[in-house]
Amino acid sequence: DSGVTQTPKHLITATGQRVTLRCSPRSGDLSVYWYQQSLDQGLQFLIQYYNGEERAKGNILERFSAQQFPDLHSELNLSSLELGDSALYFCASSAGRQPYETQYFGPGTRLLVL
Amino acid sequence: AQSVAQPEDQVNVAEGNPLTVKCTYSVSGNPYLFWYVQYPNRGLQFLLKYITGDNLVKGSYGFEAEFNKSQTSFHLKKPSALVSDSALYFCAVRAANTGTASKLTFGTGTRLQVTL
Repeated sequence: DSGVTQTPKHLITATGQRVTLRCSPRSGDLSVYWYQQSLDQGLQFLIQYYNGEERAKGNILERFSAQQFPDLHSELNLSSLELGDSALYFCASSAGRQPYETQYFGPGTRLLVL
Repeated sequence: AQSVAQPEDQVNVAEGNPLTVKCTYSVSGNPYLFWYVQYPNRGLQFLLKYITGDNLVKGSYGFEAEFNKSQTSFHLKKPSALVSDSALYFCAVRAANTGTASKLTFGTGTRLQVTL
């Protein structure tokens, strides 16, 4: 158990809908990262937050947004969902102080868009 | 831009034999290199990382990896494979000069199959 929690574990929704994925980082970690894992794209970095502020951005679509709250949990919002958004979404966390520190991953949320 | 290549989609090895999972990287400047393992329906678990210093890094579950700067490689190894090592293995790289705005770039993964 990495100490990173994600809810829900599974999500089934329809095209055009909006969903929110939630992540709680390990105790003491200030950085949260979101990744998307799909069969065709592999594991892709989406976005990083550090202590409530956006720190780095990857291949995140404009239909997707994220935020980190004062209690350090993070939410990833996916809107106008398309079939191609079906994937496993991971959250990871780290202390956020050093570039070489390990990112610890949560169990993921499996999203199925029908 | 940084990138990671894992040239083998799958590696097959018999239990008790040594295993190697290959990884090469491309990054501007010095790299920080990581190996993660993913079991079915689970998240990624950290195995080991290279920051600096000794080129041979030891990690969890008897795994080790060798950093080779001239060949830009970071191959994962284990002297004696177990059936329970069967999983999906990911190599990842981060450029050392990006500070804490730290994008981790992953390879496509290598499936390790260990048979009796």
